[in-house]
Amino acid sequence: ETGVTQTPRHLVMGMTNKKSLKCEQHLGHNAMYWYKQSAKKPLELMFVYNFKEQTENNSVPSRFSPECPNSSHLFLHLHTLQPEDSALYLCASSQDLGPAQPQHFGDGTRLSIL
Amino acid sequence: RKEVEQDPGPFNVPEGATVAFNCTYSNSASQSFFWYRQDCRKEPKLLMSVYSSGNEDGRFTAQLNRASQYISLLIRDSKLSDSATYLCVVNLNDYKLSFGAGTTVTVRA
Repeated sequence: ETGVTQTPRHLVMGMTNKKSLKCEQHLGHNAMYWYKQSAKKPLELMFVYNFKEQTENNSVPSRFSPECPNSSHLFLHLHTLQPEDSALYLCASSQDLGPAQPQHFGDGTRLSIL
Repeated sequence: RKEVEQDPGPFNVPEGATVAFNCTYSNSASQSFFWYRQDCRKEPKLLMSVYSSGNEDGRFTAQLNRASQYISLLIRDSKLSDSATYLCVVNLNDYKLSFGAGTTVTVRA
């Protein structure tokens, strides 16, 4: 399924590096999300965008900076990350923010911080 | 208390067996409920929504018990391809989904 595409699939970076994660959805959805999934833990919502406007920042540290230039693209800019930030970062989209809207996930970027 | 709690398992079952497991949620105002499936090192995928009256999708049956605040998933005639982690997901308001940590099911030949 190529509805939600994330790049890169894997990323290894040092704590002083700057990198960006990219997400693109081809489903015509209006809402996009970033989640973090650490080993053996539930998915944690990080950011929500609706019609490219941020509607949620779930107390995420400023070393994570999202960008949503349009409804189809979502970026997560990374800067001076910590080892505990190593995790699977998942992008998702839904038609809108209405109740009972299923979310469609990308394959994720597996991030390792050295 | 966690918003969504699941037995992590693993549930190891032979092919053809029936396996069932529950998920409890803490917020009685929760509106929508889902089961997602996540294969090892892959993204979560929607398996089915859970409706108040219970619903079936092929070999999968989901039930909701609002009084006791739990949902369940039952898999009949298990296939090897059913091996995965099943995520219980609860919708607390318009868009915030709360995920359980998942229940791992392993179906053996």
